[in-house]
Amino acid sequence: EPEVTQTPSHQVTQMGQEVILRCVPISNHLYFYWYRQILGQKVEFLVSFYNNEISEKSEIFDDQFSVERPDGSNFTLKIRSTKLEDSAMYFCASRQGSTDTQYFGPGTRLTVL
Amino acid sequence: GNSVTQMEGPVTLSEEAFLTINCTYTATGYPSLFWYVQYPGEGLQLLLKATKADDKGSNKGFEATYRKETTSFHLEKGSVQVSDSAVYFCALSAQGGSEKLVFGKGTKLTVNP
Repeated sequence: EPEVTQTPSHQVTQMGQEVILRCVPISNHLYFYWYRQILGQKVEFLVSFYNNEISEKSEIFDDQFSVERPDGSNFTLKIRSTKLEDSAMYFCASRQGSTDTQYFGPGTRLTVL
Repeated sequence: GNSVTQMEGPVTLSEEAFLTINCTYTATGYPSLFWYVQYPGEGLQLLLKATKADDKGSNKGFEATYRKETTSFHLEKGSVQVSDSAVYFCALSAQGGSEKLVFGKGTKLTVNP
């Protein structure tokens, strides 16, 4: 069964460093998302992406964040200069378009020291 | 704005016990409602969904009914198994094209043999 994959599973970085989180959505899906979950808190929407552009973003998704679909398979989330409060589990999701069901990856745990 | 309030956990049950996890929502219009489950070390998986009032979603013995009059979507299972131990998330997707998911905080369920 097709699934969303994410790499790495755990990323540790120093405050101020750039990180890139990678996702491979399901191959025939057209809509892509990033969510995050700070430990003990809700899963929060960050951004949605369709047709090579951002379709919606939350207040969390400020100028430090960017997303890209550099080729036909990867979908990346870049944080330019990480802060301590960026430490969280980051989930990628994709949706085919014909239904509203989003399929999630296993997440990347980002730890900012 | 739209929000989901979910029963706080953790919940600990014995095998074959009855499970209810409460979920209520605030949204305009007619959102779609979802339950996602996260097994240890894995991503979020769709458990069931309902897209209109009085619909009942069901899967793997779990059920939830979309109750517009009480703005609720409570998750139930008649007889839980050890393998049901996981974190359960209630979520909504608003009507009218904003397809991002709004999640509750999640409820951790542990089922003991």
